[in-house]
This record gives sequence, C-alpha cells and structure tokens, in this order.
Amino acid sequence: AQKITQTQPGMFVQEKEAVTLDCTYDTSDQSYGLFWYKQPSSGEMIFLIYQGSYDEQNATEGRYSLNFQKARKSANLVISASQLGDSAMYFCAMREGRGGAQKLVFGQGTRLTINP
Amino acid sequence: DTAVSQTPKYLVTQMGNDKSIKCEQNLGHDTMYWYKQDSKKFLKIMFSYNNKELIINETVPNRFSPKSPDKAHLNLHINSLELGDSAVYFCASSHLPGHGYTFGSGTRLTVV
Repeated sequence: AQKITQTQPGMFVQEKEAVTLDCTYDTSDQSYGLFWYKQPSSGEMIFLIYQGSYDEQNATEGRYSLNFQKARKSANLVISASQLGDSAMYFCAMREGRGGAQKLVFGQGTRLTINP
Repeated sequence: DTAVSQTPKYLVTQMGNDKSIKCEQNLGHDTMYWYKQDSKKFLKIMFSYNNKELIINETVPNRFSPKSPDKAHLNLHINSLELGDSAVYFCASSHLPGHGYTFGSGTRLTVV
C-alpha cells in the first residue's frame, strides 16, 4: 500500500499565483516527520520544508508553508507568489522507522509548471 | 564546499560491466543512504548505513554491493550491469535523531 500519495501528476499555475500541492500519508506511528523536496530539471534534490508529527504550528520557510492536518493525514505544500523558477518536480516524503533504521519514503511526485 | 558529493555525475557503460559510484559527506552525519530514481521519477531506498554498519537492505539484487569504509563515505558497486539498472542513483546522509536529510546531486547511470 502506498504510504505517501500525491494525487496531482501535473499542475499548471500562472506566475504570481499561490499553488497548493497535495500530499496524504499513511502511518500508524505516533512519531514521524514529513518533508517536501524540489527537483528542478538539473536533477538535484533540494530540501524545502519539514514538519514533525508533534509540531503544533504549521512549518513555514520563506514562500513555502506546510498545511499539516494530522487527523486527515495530509501535509500539503503551499507556495505563495509563484515564480518561473518554481517549475520543477516536487516530492512529499515521510520519515519512517526507528533509530538507525529510519528512512525516507517518497510519493510519486507532482510536476509543477509556472506559466508567465 | 559540497555537503554530499557523488562521483561520477554521469556513467554510460555496456551490459555486463562492473561499475562503482562514490559518495562522500562532510556534514558529520551518522547515517548514509543510497536511493534509486527510476525513469518515472519514483525514488526508492536501496541501502542505509549507520556508522559503517549496514542497517537497511531493501531487497536489492546481490549484484549491488554497498561499502562504507568510514562514516563519511558510502560507495556503491554494481556487478554485471543490466539494462534495467539504468536510473539516477542518489546518495544522502542524515544525522539521527535529527530530521535533516541532505542529498547528493545524483549519478545518472545508463546501461547500453
């Protein structure tokens, strides 16, 4: 069963608009972490934002914010005032496991295209 | 100074050959990983090492053998390369129990 689900294979947004990328997760752990990574066409994986399962406030990093709804098991990424440089693949990921056996499990990704 | 560096960035080789990918991190992290990104962009963990000890081996064929000479290095050796091994391989590191995972820039392996 898919543990991280990103239901939007592709999104097209006008420059300067806000965009929400969806992510739902499945876990029975009480302690877990949720991440968003950006992968531009150059291929590197760029860390954007992190939310811990016990964090009460939604995480924010500049134009990125994470809309964390624990009861619904969703961790949507919101990008405000989108820019052309935001065009990329975006991956939601969850840290699972304990101690040294922790690992990141990724969703399928969403390809975001910002139109001028 | 690159935090997690992988070499080479590109690797084109013939079926049946043996090749290695090297990874080094200068972050002082305890744990290092190899991830594989397939042609559909799906990322899946292959291995993790914690302080040179193999922790995770996700049903990867025996042709893939990771080696960690010290906690700053994790290399991946692949024997008898097959067409299906073509992918982008990412090295990553993290500091437990923290939450930061840093990825290398990836190695695009093409088997012809």
